Amino acid sequence: EAQVTQNPRYLITVTGKKLTVTCSQNMNHEYMSWYRQDPGLGLRQIYYSMNVEVTDKGDVPEGYKVSRKEKRNFPLILESPSPNQTSLYFCASSLSRGSAYEQYFGPGTRLTVT
Amino acid sequence: GENVGLHLPTLSVQEGDNSIINCAYSNSASDYFIWYKQESGKGPQFIIDIRSNMDKRQGQRVTVLLNKTVKHLSLQIAATQPGDSAVYFCAENTYKYIFGTGTRLKVLA
Repeated sequence: EAQVTQNPRYLITVTGKKLTVTCSQNMNHEYMSWYRQDPGLGLRQIYYSMNVEVTDKGDVPEGYKVSRKEKRNFPLILESPSPNQTSLYFCASSLSRGSAYEQYFGPGTRLTVT
Repeated sequence: GENVGLHLPTLSVQEGDNSIINCAYSNSASDYFIWYKQESGKGPQFIIDIRSNMDKRQGQRVTVLLNKTVKHLSLQIAATQPGDSAVYFCAENTYKYIFGTGTRLKVLA
């Protein structure tokens, strides 16, 4: 089954404790992206990757890191989480970045930072 | 800056009636628009898309209308069913995706 998977689905952590949210897709997609979703703000892009070893900042990259060492995986790293990073995070992938390429979303990771 | 927004945060519709969800966009350079459905606890799910060289596209029970003159996008759901209850939001694409904030559709039995 073609899908995007994320782990963990739920995470409660404390300020400053490094964490990684994994994302994996099995569709051989080139383009992958991370979004955060906050009430009243919609989905905002954090980082995206056009292909292996190619990453770039989205609209809200501060406090986040990513890596793309393999085509299928695109982990999101919070080196020193803060309470304002409490949010619902989605990973997405598509065949390419250009228009008319449907994005497939993972099930989401709800992160709470206390 | 460019933005995509929705006029109504909540829409209640009687089961069997048609639903219309609206979206305004401001980037005239956007060439691709998508409607997503997001059910509680799940990621956004693609419903239907439309390119800027079209003004209407139909799917199964759904129709998307694009009015480039007034930069308006709408999603029509025919014969709304309880399973249609969800948050719906639009997105526009130029060199990146910009998402609207969403409209919650409630289907009344």
